[in-house]
Amino acid sequence: DTEVTQTPKHLVMGMTNKKSLKCEQHMGHRAMYWYKQKAKKPPELMFVYSYEKLSINESVPSRFSPECPNSSLLNLHLHALQPEDSALYLCASSQDRQKDQPQHFGDGTRLSIL
Amino acid sequence: DAKTTQPPSMDCAEGRAANLPCNHSTISGNEYVYWYRQIHSQGPQYIIHGLKNNETNEMASLIITEDRKSSTLILPHATLRDTAVYYCIVRVGGIYNQGGKLIFGQGTELSVKP
Repeated sequence: DTEVTQTPKHLVMGMTNKKSLKCEQHMGHRAMYWYKQKAKKPPELMFVYSYEKLSINESVPSRFSPECPNSSLLNLHLHALQPEDSALYLCASSQDRQKDQPQHFGDGTRLSIL
Repeated sequence: DAKTTQPPSMDCAEGRAANLPCNHSTISGNEYVYWYRQIHSQGPQYIIHGLKNNETNEMASLIITEDRKSSTLILPHATLRDTAVYYCIVRVGGIYNQGGKLIFGQGTELSVKP
């Protein structure tokens, strides 16, 4: 069982829809991350939040909009996605951004764009 | 870009030790080596990490060469449930700018066979 909870587990949406992915952790971690993983490929970092502030944006298109409303919750708002955005979206958290603090991952939301 | 090189696939007999190699010849002095694994349809699972000393936990052992240019993950008694993709990652140093990032390489697909 993972201590990082992601909902929903599966999401199918059209290109004109607006939806949100949710990630929650109650380990007191102050750094949270979004990754994208295409089939048969390794995860790729999208965003990093540290103490509820956006620290890293890996040049992600604006149709993906992250939000960190509090230290336990991380959202990813989706709007006008393209079929190539279909992927597994993973959330992770760590104590902070220190390099000796491991990141713990959720099991992801599998997103399909019609 | 990932700073590690791993063989794309390996086989291991059930009950035997699995030794997974990783090259990271450009590692910097303050960068940690992390190992994660990903079982199909799940999020990456943290296994172990180290700086320069060998490390052991309940899951595995990590052996880092003295020059830190390579390492080996050892699963002492592999089971069928250890079948997964194993990622060796050099974690970007520092807590500012790009610090704390995990940049995944292609990983090693380990198949444990009966």
